[in-house]
Amino acid sequence: GQSLEQPSEVTAVEGAIVQINCTYQTSGFYGLSWYQQHDGGAPTFLSYNALDGLEETGRFSSFLSRSDSYGYLLLQELQMKDSASYFCAVRDTGGFKTIFGAGTRLFVKA
Amino acid sequence: NAGVTQTPKFQVLKTGQSMTLQCAQDMNHEYMSWYRQDPGMGLRLIHYSVGAGITDQGEVPNGYNVSRSTTEDFPLRLLSAAPSQTSVYFCASRTGLAGGENEQFFGPGTRLTVL
Repeated sequence: GQSLEQPSEVTAVEGAIVQINCTYQTSGFYGLSWYQQHDGGAPTFLSYNALDGLEETGRFSSFLSRSDSYGYLLLQELQMKDSASYFCAVRDTGGFKTIFGAGTRLFVKA
Repeated sequence: NAGVTQTPKFQVLKTGQSMTLQCAQDMNHEYMSWYRQDPGMGLRLIHYSVGAGITDQGEVPNGYNVSRSTTEDFPLRLLSAAPSQTSVYFCASRTGLAGGENEQFFGPGTRLTVL
């Protein structure tokens, strides 16, 4: 089976940098994905890491260490609109099911 | 493209009633799935489909049925609603099947309350 752990809440100040961690346990591994969800909205895809290292997309970066079963999402130059829930997700052994973590609620304060 | 659409947006049922949540996508995606989202529990996979005529169970399939007669549509049926099925339901689709991560596109969700 698969399981993912991430912090339930993170609070940061506007303009700062915040890191949201995710550790996973899987019997197979197809990479780690990140999704953002604003209150009342649908999840939207942010990034995907299949190999170790850092992937950068604008203010957002995502990192993966397969040997540590660990990844993180890095948000830079935080803006109020970044207040949302962030989910890490992995594909299962067969590759068909995407399993999500419980999510990290990010609060950005002025 | 409309992307992934879901109807209805809101629904209130009484215990024991049945209903179908509709989901459609116009991106010609092979893979479609249904998730439920409860507070503090993230998204849990109910059922998924890898193509027309092919469906399989996810993490929490009990009490739900699905079918996939066309590439575009993937309805979710609640056979006999229970209060434990009060949740927000999301339909999602993506291209590609195994290997790599293809972005999943989510519908706007259906907010279901069972009394």
